[in-house]
Amino acid sequence: SQQGEEDPQALSIQEGENATMNCSYKTSINNLQWYRQNSGRGLVHLILIRSNEREKHSGRLRVTLDTSKKSSSLLITASRAADTASYFCATVVPGGAQKLVFGQGTRLTINP
Amino acid sequence: DGGITQSPKYLFRKEGQNVTLSCEQNLNHDAMYWYRQDPGQGLRLIYYSQIVNDFQKGDIAEGYSVSREKKESFPLTVTSAQKNPTAFYLCASSTLLGFSGVGETQYFGPGTRLLVL
Repeated sequence: SQQGEEDPQALSIQEGENATMNCSYKTSINNLQWYRQNSGRGLVHLILIRSNEREKHSGRLRVTLDTSKKSSSLLITASRAADTASYFCATVVPGGAQKLVFGQGTRLTINP
Repeated sequence: DGGITQSPKYLFRKEGQNVTLSCEQNLNHDAMYWYRQDPGQGLRLIYYSQIVNDFQKGDIAEGYSVSREKKESFPLTVTSAQKNPTAFYLCASSTLLGFSGVGETQYFGPGTRLLVL
């Protein structure tokens, strides 16, 4: 079952612009994670934000979490061609199994 | 080099054949996972294991089997019962912190693409 839904499904912007992707989920969570996947490759972890955190930064990445709205956003500032990839949010639901439940992803294209 | 490896990169399956995908990690992680990814889709959990000699079904376990005889290894067998096996298969591993299971970062291998002849 899909817990998270990313929006938009696809995003195309010019290099240097900021990219914002959103993720909504359905049930309460322990934490929410964002991953990047280059075409045909494995996933790379970007950021983990816990349910008691509201915002987290890592380099050009900023993640926010609003548990009242069950949503999160990923902002990539000053985008580069190398940021072209698919971005997935994944949630960990309470229950001790540590299973990640992934959304369908946002396909980001950075145009030079 | 610490990491997680998968082999082969490409695998071809004939009708009625069982095939096994390899996953090895040297990160000393307790937990390992298998996911399936279809084109343009997110990942769906097939099986996961939190400790040697123990594993649990994920959301789409039918037609698949796993074993966890060693901490480092978590092979996935795609059986002939899996009627639509063409997909990209990803293995991952993670630590288990404490006993509350809050969920930590997963480290992914490069994937195996399975195609049916």
